[in-house]
Amino acid sequence: ETGVTQTPRHLVMGMTNKKSLKCEQHLGHNAMYWYKQSAKKPLELMFVYSLEERVENNSVPSRFSPECPNSSHLFLHLHTLQPEDSALYLCASSQDPGISYNEQFFGPGTRLTVL
Amino acid sequence: QQQVKQSPQSLIVQKGGISIINCAYENTAFDYFPWYQQFPGKGPALLIAIRPDVSEKKEGRFTISFNKSAKQFSLHIMDSQPGDSATYFCAASMGNTDKLIFGTGTRLQVFP
Repeated sequence: ETGVTQTPRHLVMGMTNKKSLKCEQHLGHNAMYWYKQSAKKPLELMFVYSLEERVENNSVPSRFSPECPNSSHLFLHLHTLQPEDSALYLCASSQDPGISYNEQFFGPGTRLTVL
Repeated sequence: QQQVKQSPQSLIVQKGGISIINCAYENTAFDYFPWYQQFPGKGPALLIAIRPDVSEKKEGRFTISFNKSAKQFSLHIMDSQPGDSATYFCAASMGNTDKLIFGTGTRLQVFP
């Protein structure tokens, strides 16, 4: 595997389910990110982890819970979601967090549908 | 003040033509302006980026034009090809953070 991988690629869940999204980066990077991509909206940054420590939480509802057990893996735990949470969830990683000229490498995303 | 406004929402260009996508920002503290390209089923990938100390950057058929006084920047795709059909996002960030503020995206379709 190369780059940033995400599993599953597609997920359908009911509002009472609990599920987790997984991201793995094979680039040796120090920072990982979760974004939400909805149609006709800008990509929304949800969480940032730098060296396994959460450094940003952009007012995301508590039904989304991130976990970063090591610098290569990032999870997003989901519970009691709402239909409006249906979106493409993108994971990204970068080498040097905290500076602006820092390319972020994105995974292919998980398409989430909440029924 | 944190927004980046992008237009048009969609763009149809004939093969060989020039595609132009525009973005505007308010926050003068932004100092890095990347463009990302996203194909269906894939995540966004960095295409080209510019810093405000230059007015233009060219990489192959892709050029960013930057107007600091107008707080605008644009992506020009010369000799557009069907393989360029994708969604393009402009973004901006500032020096002490890697937090990217994205535009809403432009869906480009290039027809043969």
